[in-house]
Amino acid sequence: AQRVTQPEKLLSVFKGAPVELKCNYSYSGSPELFWYVQYSRQRLQLLLRHISRESIKGFTADLNKGETSFHLKKPFAQEEDSAMYYCALRRGIYNQGGKLIFGQGTELSVKP
Amino acid sequence: NAGVTQTPKFRVLKTGQSMTLLCAQDMNHEYMYWYRQDPGMGLRLIHYSVGEGTTAKGEVPDGYNVSRLKKQNFLLGLESAAPSQTSVYFCATRVDSGLGDEQFFGPGTRLTVL
Repeated sequence: AQRVTQPEKLLSVFKGAPVELKCNYSYSGSPELFWYVQYSRQRLQLLLRHISRESIKGFTADLNKGETSFHLKKPFAQEEDSAMYYCALRRGIYNQGGKLIFGQGTELSVKP
Repeated sequence: NAGVTQTPKFRVLKTGQSMTLLCAQDMNHEYMYWYRQDPGMGLRLIHYSVGEGTTAKGEVPDGYNVSRLKKQNFLLGLESAAPSQTSVYFCATRVDSGLGDEQFFGPGTRLTVL
């Protein structure tokens, strides 16, 4: 079965430190991978998607098919990065309506 | 534009009671989804719809029913609420724009079943 695993429930770093939020997936096909973020008292929103190979708010994520990983990285964490981060996989835009399979989430806390 | 709205924001039910959660969108998106979020489990898909008049089961559909009579609305019903349905419910929408297209989420409904 397809699965997304985020091994860390909570990641706490100091401002200016590098951040890496881990995401591993199990899927034999060609997945689409996403990172969604939920800031305090805000709704879940897309942060970035692997297909775009973009950097958003200083965050990047590279899809590593060999290691089946899609880790989220930022070289210098900011306090405003504190939020809940979800890694999500999609098996195709028409597979079960293009549903997302979410990981358990990692809470990032950036201390001053 | 309001985007995706959910009604109500909070609700407390007693076991056996029924209720309907409303998701409304003004973005003219074809796809709509209902997820539930439980601690340590991420979001799991309950039901989804690929267009007006269509619905389909997701991963955890038992105990829920849905309807999409109008394109802009997706209703989630609990006929006989159980404590196991205590959760935060999120609605999401998507427009089919190809690879990487995103889902847009509502603010959530926090439901407690006593």
